[in-house]
Amino acid sequence: EVQLVESGGGLVQPGGSLRLSCAAPGFSFSTHGMIWVRQAPGRGLEWVSYISSTSNTIYYEDSVKGRFTISRDNAKNSLYLQMNSLRAEDTAVYFCARDLRPYKNYFDPWGQGTLVTVSS
Amino acid sequence: NFMLTQPHSVSESPGKTVIISCTGSSGSIASNYVQWYQQRPGSAPTTVIYEHNQRPSGVPDRFSGSIDSSSNSASLTISGLKTEDEADYYCQSYDSRQHLVFGGGTKLTVL
Repeated sequence: EVQLVESGGGLVQPGGSLRLSCAAPGFSFSTHGMIWVRQAPGRGLEWVSYISSTSNTIYYEDSVKGRFTISRDNAKNSLYLQMNSLRAEDTAVYFCARDLRPYKNYFDPWGQGTLVTVSS
Repeated sequence: NFMLTQPHSVSESPGKTVIISCTGSSGSIASNYVQWYQQRPGSAPTTVIYEHNQRPSGVPDRFSGSIDSSSNSASLTISGLKTEDEADYYCQSYDSRQHLVFGGGTKLTVL
């Protein structure tokens, strides 16, 4: 069974930094795009960032552009999200998910999520 | 900015049918694929419909999706409701920059 495992969440002060990781063993990681999606407490899903299989294409949601950096290491089957200049409104559970395009247009599986809390 | 609007909540009885709508704010909702995700409390989302009306393997045929261009909306229909269907449901599509867009989510209560 394909599984994704996020890590790196925690409590950080406003203005601080955090690096999230997403381990992706058990499938051909290097052939899939990946996304990060977040969910603030009691709120809906919000897309954060996308990276293609070769890192050639990267997109960010407008509110995180310039503060967050998505990257991947295909040799380590891992996805990352470097988060700088964190704000209270970045507090959320962060999920990673595999992109199944172009074969099928959806994202699966999703990891269990890692909680980021930005507070003083 | 392109947005997807869903009802905040819907409720229905076991065995009945419920329809959850997802309305695009601009353009043609049919021009980009719409997906539907189910999220139970404390769990990660899972896909129940992709590419407007396709079901991933393992998703029962009680779940179906459709597009109505006249109302610029997508719909998720769940028939023969079961208590296990109680969850939050999110539609998802793309904007003109091919960025993912999620609807605000609909809480389904099966009473």
